[in-house]
Amino acid sequence: EDKVVQSPLSLVVHEGDTVTLNCSYEVTNFRSLLWYKQEKKAPTFLFMLTSSGIEKKSGRLSSILDKKELFSILNITATQTGDSAVYLCAVRSNSGNTPLVFGKGTRLSVIA
Amino acid sequence: DTGVSQDPRHKITKRGQNVTFRCDPISEHNRLYWYRQTLGQGPEFLTYFQNEAQLEKSRLLSDRFSAERPKGSFSTLEIQRTEQGDSAMYLCASSNQLNTEAFFGQGTRLTVV
Repeated sequence: EDKVVQSPLSLVVHEGDTVTLNCSYEVTNFRSLLWYKQEKKAPTFLFMLTSSGIEKKSGRLSSILDKKELFSILNITATQTGDSAVYLCAVRSNSGNTPLVFGKGTRLSVIA
Repeated sequence: DTGVSQDPRHKITKRGQNVTFRCDPISEHNRLYWYRQTLGQGPEFLTYFQNEAQLEKSRLLSDRFSAERPKGSFSTLEIQRTEQGDSAMYLCASSNQLNTEAFFGQGTRLTVV
């Protein structure tokens, strides 16, 4: 059974800090790994990673995948209070019609 | 608004009643997913459609749950004889091809009292 484990489960930082969120996975026939940000309602898409070692970047957020060690990290630099959210990691298998399998998420709180 | 829309946004129902939720995906998306999310958990997969065909159902989906996508556009999720344990956020997502991201709706928050 496909599995995603995120750590830490929660994190409190001060504005301006840099944070690293972790996602490890076990999946049969890996296809892609996705990061989402969830504030109050719907998860919103951040990144999709399919290849090892290629960093995806969007402003202060970046992410990288290691397919050999089966993990990904999401970095946020110079954090702001607006970054406070639950960050979800999900994986998709190449097998059949499997959907995204999500981890429990990391709840990030950024305090002023 | 051309995103995924869900209706209603909130639903409070008494235990034992039936409820139905609706999801309208992004118009060109042929894949539609239903997830359930409870506090402190990530979304848990319930079921998946490609066009009108229901291709996958989680074992979480008891026989009280049924989903349809009759014309390959909008979908409905019905829960019969609701129980308190059904209280959760029900999220719908859609995507175009297998390797593209899924876009989520705002969810329907169900409270069973």
